[in-house]
Amino acid sequence: EIVLTQSPVTLSLSPGERATLSCRASQSVSTYLAWYQQKPGQAPRLLVYDASNRATGIPARFNGSGSGTAFTLTISSLEPEDSAVYYCQLRSSWPLFGGGTRVEIK
Amino acid sequence: QVQLVQSGAEVKKPGASVKLSCKASGYTFTNYAIHWVRQAPGQRLEWMGWINAANGDTKYSQKLQGRVTITRDTSASTAYMDLNSLRSEDTAVYYCARDLWTTVTAIFDSWGLGTLVTVSS
Repeated sequence: EIVLTQSPVTLSLSPGERATLSCRASQSVSTYLAWYQQKPGQAPRLLVYDASNRATGIPARFNGSGSGTAFTLTISSLEPEDSAVYYCQLRSSWPLFGGGTRVEIK
Repeated sequence: QVQLVQSGAEVKKPGASVKLSCKASGYTFTNYAIHWVRQAPGQRLEWMGWINAANGDTKYSQKLQGRVTITRDTSASTAYMDLNSLRSEDTAVYYCARDLWTTVTAIFDSWGLGTLVTVSS
């Protein structure tokens, strides 16, 4: 059974700084990985799919990379509205999510 | 624009069943699969299953197999999720989500706002 592990659990940064979020899979998942943003009381929003494809309407500061077992979501210059929990997700016959990284804006 | 409108909050007793609805608009309902995903308080998102809106084929998570049933009414552009033998651990917000592509890819492109289900005696 594949496990997705996200790190760090919490990231606290200032506006304008670069955020780097990690997602590691316990075995290779090729590029079948997506990233979602979830704000309190809201549904998740698709940011990136298949590791590096930005979803429609997603700002260019969100970039996904990686393949195999190691994936990264980079937010190049944090905006106050980027405060949220970010989840990675394996798209497979049995979809599953990582535990999330909370991004706090100082 | 794509919209998924979910039914209202439910409070159920342990052992009961719950049936949630998800009404789609803004696209051709039968062209995309609908998935159900839940999130217990403070927990990660958990995929429950999907339905092929065109032919009604379904697939369920192994954890919930036997307790969950997903159906659809194409005339109403609505998907349903039925969960039986409820227990306290089923307390969660339940989301429906549309697949990104017209094949089942399990990339969740559009989401409903969620339905809170509380299981309590």
